[in-house]
Amino acid sequence: AQSVTQLGSHVSVSEGALVLLRCNYSSSVPPYLFWYVQYPNQGLQLLLKYTSAATLVKGINGFEAEFKKSETSFHLTKPSAHMSDAAEYFCAVTPNAGGTSYGKLTFGQGTILTVHP
Amino acid sequence: EPEVTQTPSHQVTQMGQEVILRCVPISNHLYFYWYRQILGQKVEFLVSFYNNEISEKSEIFDDQFSVERPDGSNFTLKIRSTKLEDSAMYFCASKGQGYEQYFGPGTRLTVT
Repeated sequence: AQSVTQLGSHVSVSEGALVLLRCNYSSSVPPYLFWYVQYPNQGLQLLLKYTSAATLVKGINGFEAEFKKSETSFHLTKPSAHMSDAAEYFCAVTPNAGGTSYGKLTFGQGTILTVHP
Repeated sequence: EPEVTQTPSHQVTQMGQEVILRCVPISNHLYFYWYRQILGQKVEFLVSFYNNEISEKSEIFDDQFSVERPDGSNFTLKIRSTKLEDSAMYFCASKGQGYEQYFGPGTRLTVT
């Protein structure tokens, strides 16, 4: 069974500082990976995805993530935090099963990002 | 931009009552999902639906739960007899030919 671990339930950074949110996965076959963001009282918005193409993936709002198979990681970064980045971030995986996958997502527990002025 | 919509945004019900949560997926999508998030916990998969039938379901999705696509646009989740532990945020999602799922804003279900 697949699983996802997000290290750190809360991360706090200063505005303009580097954002690093950690995600590690467990899977017998490298899965497809996603980062979603949830702003207060809103749904889950897709930030970026890894689906076996380039290992460095760029998403919306200046975020990017790098798939590292050797480390089973898919950490999310942003060079310079903005106050509007304050939200909860979820890493998720789905099986890489080609055409037979119906796409069930397994989520990590989430990381709340706080940005200080 | 097309989006997934859900109604109601908040539903309060008494234990033992039936509730129906409604979702309108993105119009050309073929795969539909329900997830839930109990306060302070992970987002959990409940069920996936494709070609008018359930394709996968979790252990949470027992006989008290059912899903339906009654027409060409709506996708519903029914809980027959709600329990206190069903209180959660329920998210609907849909997927086209790609791998990414698009989520609705959620329905907060409170069972008293």
